[in-house]
Amino acid sequence: AQSVTQLDSQVPVFEEAPVELRCNYSSSVSVYLFWYVQYPNQGLQLLLKYLSGSTLVESINGFEAEFNKSQTSFHLRKPSVHISDTAEYFCAVRVNQAGTALIFGKGTTLSVSS
Amino acid sequence: DAGVIQSPRHEVTEMGQEVTLRCKPISGHDYLFWYRQTMMRGLELLIYFNNNVPIDDSGMPEDRFSAKMPNASFSTLKIQPSEPRDSAVYFCASSLAGARSGELFFGEGSRLTVL
Repeated sequence: AQSVTQLDSQVPVFEEAPVELRCNYSSSVSVYLFWYVQYPNQGLQLLLKYLSGSTLVESINGFEAEFNKSQTSFHLRKPSVHISDTAEYFCAVRVNQAGTALIFGKGTTLSVSS
Repeated sequence: DAGVIQSPRHEVTEMGQEVTLRCKPISGHDYLFWYRQTMMRGLELLIYFNNNVPIDDSGMPEDRFSAKMPNASFSTLKIQPSEPRDSAVYFCASSLAGARSGELFFGEGSRLTVL
């Protein structure tokens, strides 16, 4: 069965500092990997995804994630965070089969302060 | 498009009462998902539908929970009778062609408190 482990439940950082949110997955078959973001009192929104091709994927607001098959990881990074990046971030995995829903990690709360 | 619409946004009820949560997916989406979010367990998939048909309900915690999708534009999640441990935020999400593209569109959630 697939599973997702987010290694940090909370990550506090100062504005303009770099950040890495860690995600490891477990699956015996090919996977699709995702990061979703949840701002306070809102639903989740897709941030970026890896389906195939280049192992480095980027979002429009400066986040990037790299798929590492040997380490079964999909860590999320940003070189310089803003106050507005404060949110909860969820890593998710989907097995490469039709009709399967996403399995989410427990989330990492990123808190950016000035 | 209006996005996924859930109601009510907040519900406070007493133990033993029936709770009905509602969801309107994005028009044209053929998959609908119900998730539950708690601090302890994170986001759990409860059930999902394809073309109004339940595909996998293995995440439904017990018989007190039931979900229906009578048509392509409406789904309900019902808890009867409710218990304090059901307190959580319940999210509905919809997508086109399952999760192959990876993008589920989530509603803003229904926060349920059972006293």
